[in-house]
Amino acid sequence: EIVLTQSPGTLSLSPGERATLSCRASQSVSSSYLAWYQQKPGQAPRLLIYGASSRATGIPDRFSGSGSGTDFTLTISRLEPEDFAVYYCQQYGSSQVTFGPGTKVDIK
Amino acid sequence: QVQLVESGGGVVQPGRSLRLSCAASGFTFSSYGMHWVRQAPGKGLEWVAVISYDGSNKYYADSVKGRFTISRDNSKNTLYLQMNSLRAEDTAVYYCAKTLRYFDWLFDAFDIWGQGTMVTVSS
Repeated sequence: EIVLTQSPGTLSLSPGERATLSCRASQSVSSSYLAWYQQKPGQAPRLLIYGASSRATGIPDRFSGSGSGTDFTLTISRLEPEDFAVYYCQQYGSSQVTFGPGTKVDIK
Repeated sequence: QVQLVESGGGVVQPGRSLRLSCAASGFTFSSYGMHWVRQAPGKGLEWVAVISYDGSNKYYADSVKGRFTISRDNSKNTLYLQMNSLRAEDTAVYYCAKTLRYFDWLFDAFDIWGQGTMVTVSS
């Protein structure tokens, strides 16, 4: 099973600031099959990024993903009020899909 | 619009069974792999199981293997999760989710999620 580690656990920032979230895999993620999701309290997760760097339909271009192998990054260029949430990375390159523990982005 | 609606959750005693359903609409259900994902209260996401578009391939998380069974009825546009020998640690919100791409994309990102159904295992 591929274990995903996300850092930091919590990121305290102000609207307008840049957010950089990290996801590290215990082994190489096949074909960059890495996705990012946003989840707000009481809601289902929402797909942001797939294939490490492709934005899902309707996702603003302030969200971008990068990385390959074992190191991946989600960047939010300028935080909007609606971006404060928990973010999860997920690998789907093996028959045991796994999620990271999440990074909470909260208002400073 | 594309939608997934889960049902069947509730409170159940340890060792008992429960079957969850996920009704799909707004897309060609029979063309997509489908997954179950759960989230314990205050915790992160845990993948549970996947079934291929035609039901021929199924995979499970080690934590539920041998106890849970995923299935689908493409004539009814419905996904199921049969949960047997339930344990306290199975307590969670259970989400069904659709793969982003169709047919052979069994393992893929999840672009559509249901609203979830709560399962509580307690005596």
